[in-house]
Amino acid sequence: TQLLEQSPQFLSIQEGENLTVYCNSSSVFSSLQWYRQEPGEGPVLLVTVVTGGEVKKLKRLTFQFGDARKDSSLHITAAQPGDTGLYLCAGAGVRGGATNKLIFGTGTLLAVQP
Amino acid sequence: NAGVMQNPRHLVRRRGQEARLRCSPMKGHSHVYWYRQLPEEGLKFMVYLQKENIIDESGMPKERFSAEFPKEGPSILRIQQVVRGDSAAYFCASSPYRGLGETQYFGPGTRLLVL
Repeated sequence: TQLLEQSPQFLSIQEGENLTVYCNSSSVFSSLQWYRQEPGEGPVLLVTVVTGGEVKKLKRLTFQFGDARKDSSLHITAAQPGDTGLYLCAGAGVRGGATNKLIFGTGTLLAVQP
Repeated sequence: NAGVMQNPRHLVRRRGQEARLRCSPMKGHSHVYWYRQLPEEGLKFMVYLQKENIIDESGMPKERFSAEFPKEGPSILRIQQVVRGDSAAYFCASSPYRGLGETQYFGPGTRLLVL
């Protein structure tokens, strides 16, 4: 059972466009982390959100954690080719879970065309 | 990737051989997690270790797979008698302590190919 669903799965846009990636679950998490992974490399942490309703900004990236801590979104403003990659959300500390293992989303593959 | 080191980066094994994957966590981190990324699938948790202890191995296959994190040295993920289905990217992550929702930092991964 996939606890975290991401949408869209694939996204191809032109440089300068805006986009939003969604990460949804029926489970409550203690925190949610967003990673970006490039081919042949490991996931690189972008942000960790902990508090329901929290909004964090990282340059052109805006991350939001849902009030109920079940979902999150990533918004990119004025996308650039360097933003190309696989975006992964990962939830930690699912209610009832014993450890901090991460449950990863299905991933969103973003391609930004110059 | 944030100081977590994994080696080898690429490993080729024939069916039936053993594979040993090593992970050195970030300095000061005593918690290690192993994840597997199968082709066309997402990252899946395998095992969580603290120094000399296995805390959660709920994601480990029941046979052929084992993991350790000794007092000294790197964490080792060991796969005995590899099969083609073991071909995947194996990632290690570390965190400093076991706080709720503690951030994990990933290494570059080991790509295992079983011929």
